[in-house]
This record gives sequence, C-alpha cells and structure tokens, in this order.
Amino acid sequence: DGGITQSPKYLFRKEGQNVTLSCEQNLNHDAMYWYRQDPGQGLRLIYYSQIVNDFQKGDIAEGYSVSREKKESFPLTVTSAQKNPTAFYLCASSIEDDTGELFFGEGSRLTVL
Amino acid sequence: SQQGEEDPQALSIQEGENATMNCSYKTSINNLQWYRQNSGRGLVHLILIRSNEREKHSGRLRVTLDTSKKSSSLLITASRAADTASYFCATDLPFGNQGGKLIFGQGTELSVKP
Repeated sequence: DGGITQSPKYLFRKEGQNVTLSCEQNLNHDAMYWYRQDPGQGLRLIYYSQIVNDFQKGDIAEGYSVSREKKESFPLTVTSAQKNPTAFYLCASSIEDDTGELFFGEGSRLTVL
Repeated sequence: SQQGEEDPQALSIQEGENATMNCSYKTSINNLQWYRQNSGRGLVHLILIRSNEREKHSGRLRVTLDTSKKSSSLLITASRAADTASYFCATDLPFGNQGGKLIFGQGTELSVKP
C-alpha cells in the first residue's frame, strides 16, 4: 500500500541534543512538507521541498534543518537551537497539481526532557 | 501567518445530530480543503471546494464556500461517535508556478456522544 511513513512515533531528547525525524513516501510525489502542531493549535509549516535537492523555509524554520537527497525521503533534524522543540511533527506529501491536496504520515511526538 | 480561523473551537453533540463548523480566511484563494484528525494521528483529506464552486457534497459531508464573505462551512449530517475528531480547514497561497502550499486553521474539536 502506498503511503507516508514517519519514524519514530515517540522520541525523547535531552536538552542540547540534535534529533532527526524520518519521513519516507512511496507515493511518487514530488513535493514534501514538514509541519509542527502544538496543543490546541493548527499546523505550522517548517520546511517544504518541491523537488529533489531543493527545499524552502516555511513560517517557523529557525532551529530546524532538512535534506532532500532522494525523492522518497525528507528527514527533519531538530537542532539544539530550537528553543521549544516539544511538539507533534507531521510530514506530508503532494503531487504538483492545482489542488495542493496533502497526504499525511501518522506523526512523530518529540518530548524534550 | 494564520490564514484560516475556525469556529467553534469545540463542539459537543449527540449522535444523530448535525454538526456545523465554520472557517473564515483573509486573502483570495484557489481552493479550500477540509481535513480530519483523530487524536494523536495524522490528518486525512475530506473534501476540496474550488473558488468557483459554492457547494459540494461527499457522503454525509456538505461544504459551502462564500468567497464574498471569505468563509466556508462544513456540515456533517447524522453524526456518529466515530466522527469524533478535530476538523481543520486549509486554504492555499500560491508559490512559484506549481500551485499552492496550504495554510491551516486552528481546528474545531468535535465530540459526538453516543
């Protein structure tokens, strides 16, 4: 079955540590996205990529980094520079049409201890 | 840069009743989408309505769009306990020549009691 796989589902990190969240898709979609979701809030865009080897900052990119070396993969690194990293992280992908419909993974919950 | 704002923030109804959620946005759009999120899970696309459409149906879902008021509503008819979830509207903003990235509202948390 085609879909988006995020791992790990739950992750705990000590302050000052970098952590990388994995996102893999087998939908053959060109565009991929990372969103952050805080309790009671909507989704905020961190980074997006429309094509391999290219990505753009979203609204809250500070303290995060990404790479897009393969079409299927779009990992997100939460660096120690991110002041408040505890959140639910959602990866999504879309085909490049005029709808922009997103297909989401199941999310990764990061907790900083 | 929140584009969409939804109300109510929370809605509690009995099974069998209809649930109506509203979304307002600020700028011109190409389309508006509604997504559903079960607690602790990813979002799932429900329905899309284009800016030149006024109403759209999908099963028990009915979406309306009023571009003059920059607002949309999602109606779920004959609700079921399984409809309990958060519902988000999302609007597009153009970037490049490839369509738009989506901006999400804060969501309506729907609770359907059996």
